[in-house]
Formats: sequence, C-alpha cells, structure tokens
Amino acid sequence: ETGVTQTPRHLVMGMTNKKSLKCEQHLGHNAMYWYKQSAKKPLELMFVYNFKEQTENNSVPSRFSPECPNSSHLFLHLHTLQPEDSALYLCASSKDPAGDYGYTFGSGTRLTVV
Amino acid sequence: KQEVTQIPAALSVPEGENLVLNCSFTDSAIYNLQWFRQDPGKGLTSLLLIQSSQREQTSGRLNASLDKSSGRSTLYIAASQPGDSATYLCAVRDWGNTPLVFGKGTRLSVIA
Repeated sequence: ETGVTQTPRHLVMGMTNKKSLKCEQHLGHNAMYWYKQSAKKPLELMFVYNFKEQTENNSVPSRFSPECPNSSHLFLHLHTLQPEDSALYLCASSKDPAGDYGYTFGSGTRLTVV
Repeated sequence: KQEVTQIPAALSVPEGENLVLNCSFTDSAIYNLQWFRQDPGKGLTSLLLIQSSQREQTSGRLNASLDKSSGRSTLYIAASQPGDSATYLCAVRDWGNTPLVFGKGTRLSVIA
C-alpha cells in the first residue's frame, strides 16, 4: 500500500447508474488529484484540489463531479456515463500543490461502463 | 505545451541484463521529473524524483539521470530480474502551478 487508498477496486455500471469513487490518504498531504488512464494514452489529469479547494478542472464533462470534504478524502461522483468513460481512475496526493516532494498514487478503480 | 515521449514503447530482455529506458521532453524548463512503475491493472509506484537542480538519483539497482539542456532523462536498471517486469512511466512538472505531464510509458518484460 502506498498510503493512498481507493475504493472500490473494480466497478461495473450501466449508463443510467449513479456511483461514486472514493480516495483516502492519511499522509498529511494537502493536495489531491484525479487522473484518468485509458488504454494506449498518457495519464490525463481531471481535477486538482488544494486544501479542499478545487484549483483545476481540466475540461472534464459534467457527468464527472468531484467532491473534497477535507484534505484526507476525495470523491468522484459519476452519473450518466458513456462506454468511452471506461478506464482506470487514479487518485494521487502530494504534500504541497507544487509537487516539490513528488506524488503518491493509489491503486486505482477499474471502471467499466456497459 | 510540454510533451513527454518514451522510447521504446516495449522492451524484452533476458534476466541479468543491464538496461536503459529513455524519456524526452519538449520544454527543458522543468521543475522536476519523476519515474514511476505500474504493474498491470494497478496504480503507480514512485521510483525516483529528480529536482531540476540535480543530475541524478539512485535507489538500489535503479539510477535516473537528468539532462535538462537536451530534454532527456534515462532510467538505468542494473542486473534486471523478472520482478522488474512492469510499465515504467516518466512524468515532468513545469515551473508554476502546473500539473504533471506523463509519457505513455515503456512496457518492460524481463525473461527468466
């Protein structure tokens, strides 16, 4: 375990479902991130939270809705997804938003939209 | 816009061989560079972080070098083992409040 925990590990959902991904870290980090990893593409940054405040939304469709209730927890709420949204969703954290000390990633949630 | 390229996309070597993975980036004004390992279907494990003022970092059998002026980094793996089989990702962070930019990775297979 890296110190960043993601649940669930696997998720299959229909296009009309609503589900949420959870990320938790107790490393004392202040910044948290959602990344999307699709086959044969580089990791794509989706959202950045710094001290619970969203500082970046990388042109992500509104069917993805992030929530950061505190510095240790990050959620990604999903609704009316499309099959092309199937991917590995990775959460990461860093001690500071500048990433001076690097980034720690979770194991990811493998999402399949049917 | 920063772009990161990793060559080769895949590499297969016999056990015990020393090997080098390459990473190049288009904008040399980076803040730091990080190498990660990713096992199939899993998350990323940080291997080495090199700040822009550094030339190399070492951890066990791994050595990463950074040449900012040429926009290149290499990850050297000594005496490779089957357990080293994974995808290795290079990511750079530019100055300013910018996110990590990743390469597509090199998929390494070490054959026993």
